[in-house]
Amino acid sequence: DSGVTQTPKHLITATGQRVTLRCSPRSGDLSVYWYQQSLDQGLQFLIQYYNGEERAKGNILERFSAQQFPDLHSELNLSSLELGDSALYFCASSVGRGSGNTIYFGEGSWLTVV
Amino acid sequence: GQNIDQPTEMTATEGAIVQINCTYQTSGFNGLFWYQQHAGEAPTFLSYNVLDGLEEKGRFSSFLSRSKGYSYLLLKELQMKDSASYLCAVREGKAAGNKLTFGGGTRVLVKP
Repeated sequence: DSGVTQTPKHLITATGQRVTLRCSPRSGDLSVYWYQQSLDQGLQFLIQYYNGEERAKGNILERFSAQQFPDLHSELNLSSLELGDSALYFCASSVGRGSGNTIYFGEGSWLTVV
Repeated sequence: GQNIDQPTEMTATEGAIVQINCTYQTSGFNGLFWYQQHAGEAPTFLSYNVLDGLEEKGRFSSFLSRSKGYSYLLLKELQMKDSASYLCAVREGKAAGNKLTFGGGTRVLVKP
């Protein structure tokens, strides 16, 4: 158990809908990262937050947004869902934002868009 | 940006040694990580290198050469449970928010 908690674990929704994925980082971790992993593909970096502020942005679609709250939990909002958005979405956290800070992953949220 | 290359798949025999290579081209470098990922599960941290040389951790060792943009993960005394994907990840510099970019992963199949 990495200490990173993600909910829901599984989600099935229809095209055009909107979902919110939630992440609680490990106790004491200030940085939160979101990654997308489609079937048989690598981990694609979406976005990173540090202590409530956006720090880095990857290949995140405009239909997707995220935020980190004062209690450090984070949410990833996916809207106008398409079939291609079906993937495993991972949240990860680390203590800080500098080098050497190991990133620990949650178990992921499986999203299926039908 | 980052370009991280590693072989797609490797097969080895139980008890043997396998070396997974990773090459990278980066505009900034602030460390290299190796993760293990079983299908449908979360990646788990294996090792971290920021200076040149070898880091040993039990059956797993990782090597880094910054001048060559090269790393390898060495798995010794292979066990069936080592069948998994192994992900090489490079942390970009401060200007890029220290984000971690992953290669496509190397699927290792351990045969009896």
